[in-house]
Amino acid sequence: NAGVTQTPKFRVLKTGQSMTLLCAQDMNHEYMYWYRQDPGMGLRLIHYSVGEGTTAKGEVPDGYNVSRLKKQNFLLGLESAAPSQTSVYFCASSYFGDQPQHFGDGTRLSIL
Amino acid sequence: AQSVTQLGSHVSVSEGALVLLRCNYSSSVPPYLFWYVQYPNQGLQLLLKYTSAATLVKGINGFEAEFKKSETSFHLTKPSAHMSDAAEYFCAVTGSSNTGKLIFGQGTTLQVKP
Repeated sequence: NAGVTQTPKFRVLKTGQSMTLLCAQDMNHEYMYWYRQDPGMGLRLIHYSVGEGTTAKGEVPDGYNVSRLKKQNFLLGLESAAPSQTSVYFCASSYFGDQPQHFGDGTRLSIL
Repeated sequence: AQSVTQLGSHVSVSEGALVLLRCNYSSSVPPYLFWYVQYPNQGLQLLLKYTSAATLVKGINGFEAEFKKSETSFHLTKPSAHMSDAAEYFCAVTGSSNTGKLIFGQGTTLQVKP
């Protein structure tokens, strides 16, 4: 039982490059979330989805895009990476909005 | 709108001592409150949640938290610290069961000294 799986675990990019982070969950959860974690700031919500085919902006959406074409997958894209996007990115999922979220192990992204 | 404040970015206790991690929240609607723990290089794991069923909530690993509406607090406690409790702890709130959007506190790093 894998839970929430994030790919890749580490990545180094150059400014201006693009990439996609993949989140996959095998728990049949409806809701999925992307957060970024920065020192001293806790986790901040980037985008979220309340079901297949839906997405919505969170607290810090600028510079990111997302897609939820399949219920089990939630993709986070950086079209033109900037050093300010250096962070640890976490994906989470839950059955419904009032249920606990299950987190992946994170993707450590450095942008030079 | 919701917000969370965790008092103290670092807390240090001796093994066997009481653990108290403080969390105050602000919410314009009845909140759902959570405590999560993060071990190094790992994701967040749920310790416990408050969803209005009972004000004293028991979680895993001997942790518990008490919801006090009058003080807008949801402090996390454990009677006796263990070395394995050393980690970062996050308090989080959501006021929307429709979206589940969590607002996290800044986190508190717990150090346990032998």
